[in-house]
Amino acid sequence: ETGVTQSPTHLIKTRGQQVTLRCSSQSGHNTVSWYQQALGQGPQFIFQYYREEENGRGNFPPRFSGLQFPNYSSELNVNALELDDSALYLCASSADRDSPLHFGNGTRLTVT
Amino acid sequence: QKEVEQNSGPLSVPEGAIASLNCTYSDRVSQSFFWYRQYSGKSPELIMSIYSNGDKEDGRFTAQLNKASQYVSLLIRDSQPSDSATYLCAAYFNDYKLSFGAGTTVTVRA
Repeated sequence: ETGVTQSPTHLIKTRGQQVTLRCSSQSGHNTVSWYQQALGQGPQFIFQYYREEENGRGNFPPRFSGLQFPNYSSELNVNALELDDSALYLCASSADRDSPLHFGNGTRLTVT
Repeated sequence: QKEVEQNSGPLSVPEGAIASLNCTYSDRVSQSFFWYRQYSGKSPELIMSIYSNGDKEDGRFTAQLNKASQYVSLLIRDSQPSDSATYLCAAYFNDYKLSFGAGTTVTVRA
Protein backbone atom coordinates (compact mmCIF):
# COMPACT_ATOMS: atom_id res chain seq x y z
CA GLU A 1 0.00 0.00 0.00
CA THR A 2 1.17 3.52 -0.67
CA GLY A 3 1.82 5.82 2.26
CA VAL A 4 1.04 9.50 2.73
CA THR A 5 2.83 11.74 0.25
CA GLN A 6 3.21 15.51 0.44
CA SER A 7 4.42 18.10 -2.02
CA PRO A 8 6.46 20.15 -2.28
CA THR A 9 9.21 19.14 0.16
CA HIS A 10 10.49 22.66 0.67
CA LEU A 11 9.05 26.05 -0.19
CA ILE A 12 10.21 29.62 0.25
CA LYS A 13 7.63 32.42 0.10
CA THR A 14 7.53 36.11 0.81
CA ARG A 15 5.38 37.69 3.50
CA GLY A 16 1.91 38.49 2.15
CA GLN A 17 1.94 35.78 -0.50
CA GLN A 18 -0.36 32.77 -0.68
CA VAL A 19 0.69 29.10 -0.66
CA THR A 20 -0.94 25.75 -1.42
CA LEU A 21 0.40 22.53 0.03
CA ARG A 22 -0.74 19.16 -1.26
CA CYS A 23 -1.21 15.74 0.27
CA SER A 24 -2.16 12.33 -1.01
CA SER A 25 -3.62 10.10 1.70
CA GLN A 26 -2.76 6.50 2.37
CA SER A 27 -4.91 4.10 0.35
CA GLY A 28 -8.24 3.38 2.07
CA HIS A 29 -7.99 6.29 4.51
CA ASN A 30 -10.96 8.67 4.44
CA THR A 31 -9.73 11.10 7.07
CA VAL A 32 -6.94 13.65 6.67
CA SER A 33 -5.54 16.00 9.29
CA TRP A 34 -3.13 18.90 8.90
CA TYR A 35 -0.64 20.00 11.54
CA GLN A 36 1.85 22.83 11.91
CA GLN A 37 5.09 22.07 13.73
CA ALA A 38 7.40 24.89 14.73
CA LEU A 39 11.00 24.12 15.62
CA GLY A 40 11.26 22.45 19.03
CA GLN A 41 7.49 22.14 19.44
CA GLY A 42 4.97 19.35 19.08
CA PRO A 43 2.62 19.32 16.08
CA GLN A 44 -0.29 21.75 16.43
CA PHE A 45 -3.66 20.71 14.99
CA ILE A 46 -4.91 22.92 12.14
CA PHE A 47 -7.97 21.01 10.94
CA GLN A 48 -9.33 17.64 9.89
CA TYR A 49 -11.36 16.59 6.87
CA TYR A 50 -13.59 13.56 6.82
CA ARG A 51 -15.29 12.52 3.59
CA GLU A 52 -14.64 15.95 2.03
CA GLU A 53 -16.15 17.93 4.93
CA GLU A 54 -14.22 19.89 7.58
CA ASN A 55 -14.66 17.85 10.74
CA GLY A 56 -12.90 20.03 13.26
CA ARG A 57 -10.55 22.98 13.49
CA GLY A 58 -7.79 24.08 15.82
CA ASN A 59 -6.85 27.56 16.93
CA PHE A 60 -5.77 28.89 13.54
CA PRO A 61 -7.13 31.99 11.75
CA PRO A 62 -9.43 31.75 8.71
CA ARG A 63 -6.56 32.46 6.34
CA PHE A 64 -5.71 28.79 6.87
CA SER A 65 -8.16 26.81 4.75
CA GLY A 66 -8.34 23.37 3.25
CA LEU A 67 -10.01 21.02 0.85
CA GLN A 68 -10.38 17.28 0.56
CA PHE A 69 -11.18 15.73 -2.79
CA PRO A 70 -13.20 12.59 -3.70
CA ASN A 71 -9.98 10.64 -4.20
CA TYR A 72 -9.05 11.65 -0.60
CA SER A 73 -6.19 13.89 -1.69
CA SER A 74 -6.10 17.16 0.19
CA GLU A 75 -4.84 20.74 0.10
CA LEU A 76 -3.86 23.26 2.73
CA ASN A 77 -4.05 26.88 1.64
CA VAL A 78 -2.55 29.75 3.58
CA ASN A 79 -3.26 33.34 2.55
CA ALA A 80 -1.43 36.52 3.52
CA LEU A 81 1.62 34.66 4.78
CA GLU A 82 3.31 35.92 7.93
CA LEU A 83 6.85 35.29 9.14
CA ASP A 84 5.47 33.13 11.99
CA ASP A 85 3.95 30.77 9.43
CA SER A 86 7.44 29.40 8.83
CA ALA A 87 7.21 25.80 10.02
CA LEU A 88 6.99 22.16 9.02
CA TYR A 89 3.49 21.38 7.74
CA LEU A 90 2.41 17.82 8.24
CA CYS A 91 -0.40 15.95 6.59
CA ALA A 92 -1.64 12.76 8.22
CA SER A 93 -4.28 10.30 7.19
CA SER A 94 -6.19 7.76 9.24
CA ALA A 95 -8.63 4.97 8.58
CA ASP A 96 -11.22 6.70 10.75
CA ARG A 97 -11.61 9.78 12.89
CA ASP A 98 -10.11 8.31 16.10
CA SER A 99 -7.55 5.96 14.56
CA PRO A 100 -3.78 6.44 14.70
CA LEU A 101 -2.44 9.06 12.31
CA HIS A 102 0.10 8.19 9.64
CA PHE A 103 2.17 11.17 8.60
CA GLY A 104 3.64 12.24 5.31
CA ASN A 105 7.20 13.56 5.09
CA GLY A 106 6.03 17.13 5.53
CA THR A 107 6.54 20.41 3.71
CA ARG A 108 9.09 22.84 5.13
CA LEU A 109 7.74 26.36 4.55
CA THR A 110 9.98 29.36 5.00
CA VAL A 111 8.45 32.84 4.88
CA THR A 112 10.88 35.71 4.36
CA GLN B 1 -3.54 23.77 31.29
CA LYS B 2 -1.98 22.04 28.31
CA GLU B 3 -3.84 18.96 27.13
CA VAL B 4 -0.76 16.74 26.93
CA GLU B 5 2.41 17.39 28.90
CA GLN B 6 5.69 15.51 28.69
CA ASN B 7 8.59 15.45 31.13
CA SER B 8 11.18 18.00 30.18
CA GLY B 9 14.24 16.79 28.36
CA PRO B 10 16.63 16.28 26.97
CA LEU B 11 17.20 12.76 28.26
CA SER B 12 20.65 11.20 27.84
CA VAL B 13 21.16 7.50 28.51
CA PRO B 14 24.09 5.14 27.89
CA GLU B 15 23.76 2.44 25.27
CA GLY B 16 22.06 -0.64 26.70
CA ALA B 17 20.24 1.27 29.45
CA ILE B 18 16.51 1.85 29.89
CA ALA B 19 15.06 5.19 28.76
CA SER B 20 11.90 6.20 30.62
CA LEU B 21 9.55 8.79 29.15
CA ASN B 22 6.51 10.19 30.92
CA CYS B 23 3.36 11.95 29.80
CA THR B 24 0.32 13.34 31.61
CA TYR B 25 -2.91 14.54 30.09
CA SER B 26 -5.66 16.91 31.13
CA ASP B 27 -8.83 15.89 32.91
CA ARG B 28 -10.98 14.91 29.97
CA VAL B 29 -12.26 11.62 28.71
CA SER B 30 -9.75 10.03 26.42
CA GLN B 31 -9.60 6.46 25.21
CA SER B 32 -6.70 6.41 22.78
CA PHE B 33 -3.04 7.14 23.44
CA PHE B 34 -0.05 6.99 21.12
CA TRP B 35 3.71 7.36 21.12
CA TYR B 36 5.45 8.72 18.05
CA ARG B 37 9.17 8.87 17.29
CA GLN B 38 10.52 11.81 15.29
CA TYR B 39 14.06 11.92 13.96
CA SER B 40 15.56 15.35 13.38
CA GLY B 41 14.19 16.88 10.18
CA LYS B 42 11.75 14.03 9.63
CA SER B 43 8.04 13.48 10.27
CA PRO B 44 6.57 11.62 13.27
CA GLU B 45 6.40 7.83 13.05
CA LEU B 46 3.90 5.80 15.09
CA ILE B 47 5.63 3.34 17.41
CA MET B 48 2.96 2.42 20.00
CA SER B 49 -0.80 2.61 20.52
CA ILE B 50 -2.41 1.87 23.88
CA TYR B 51 -6.10 1.93 24.75
CA SER B 52 -6.46 -0.01 28.04
CA ASN B 53 -4.96 0.37 31.49
CA GLY B 54 -1.82 -1.64 32.04
CA ASP B 55 1.24 -2.46 30.01
CA LYS B 56 1.67 -3.13 26.33
CA GLU B 57 4.95 -4.49 25.01
CA ASP B 58 6.28 -4.39 21.46
CA GLY B 59 9.87 -5.49 21.06
CA ARG B 60 12.09 -3.21 23.15
CA PHE B 61 9.24 -0.75 23.76
CA THR B 62 6.73 -0.93 26.62
CA ALA B 63 3.86 1.54 27.00
CA GLN B 64 2.08 1.89 30.34
CA LEU B 65 -1.31 3.53 30.80
CA ASN B 66 -2.98 4.57 34.04
CA LYS B 67 -6.24 6.37 33.31
CA ALA B 68 -7.01 7.05 36.97
CA SER B 69 -3.75 8.99 37.27
CA GLN B 70 -4.04 10.41 33.73
CA TYR B 71 -0.58 9.12 33.00
CA VAL B 72 1.04 7.27 30.12
CA SER B 73 4.68 6.28 29.84
CA LEU B 74 7.10 4.69 27.40
CA LEU B 75 10.07 2.53 28.33
CA ILE B 76 12.82 1.79 25.84
CA ARG B 77 14.86 -1.21 26.94
CA ASP B 78 18.42 -1.91 25.74
CA SER B 79 18.64 1.58 24.24
CA GLN B 80 20.54 1.83 20.97
CA PRO B 81 22.10 4.90 19.28
CA SER B 82 19.39 4.54 16.61
CA ASP B 83 16.81 5.30 19.33
CA SER B 84 18.16 8.86 19.55
CA ALA B 85 15.17 10.96 18.52
CA THR B 86 12.33 13.09 19.89
CA TYR B 87 9.44 11.08 21.32
CA LEU B 88 5.96 12.58 21.12
CA CYS B 89 3.05 11.57 23.32
CA ALA B 90 -0.42 12.03 21.80
CA ALA B 91 -4.02 11.52 22.88
CA TYR B 92 -7.48 11.96 21.43
CA PHE B 93 -9.81 14.17 23.48
CA ASN B 94 -12.67 14.15 21.04
CA ASP B 95 -13.39 12.33 17.86
CA TYR B 96 -11.17 14.35 15.60
CA LYS B 97 -8.29 16.13 17.32
CA LEU B 98 -5.15 14.20 18.17
CA SER B 99 -3.26 16.43 20.62
CA PHE B 100 0.51 16.17 20.98
CA GLY B 101 2.91 17.00 23.75
CA ALA B 102 5.99 19.10 23.07
CA GLY B 103 8.17 16.01 22.89
CA THR B 104 11.14 14.64 24.83
CA THR B 105 14.49 14.43 23.06
CA VAL B 106 16.43 11.26 23.84
CA THR B 107 20.15 10.85 23.18
CA VAL B 108 21.69 7.40 23.52
CA ARG B 109 25.44 7.60 24.21
CA ALA B 110 27.54 4.88 22.61
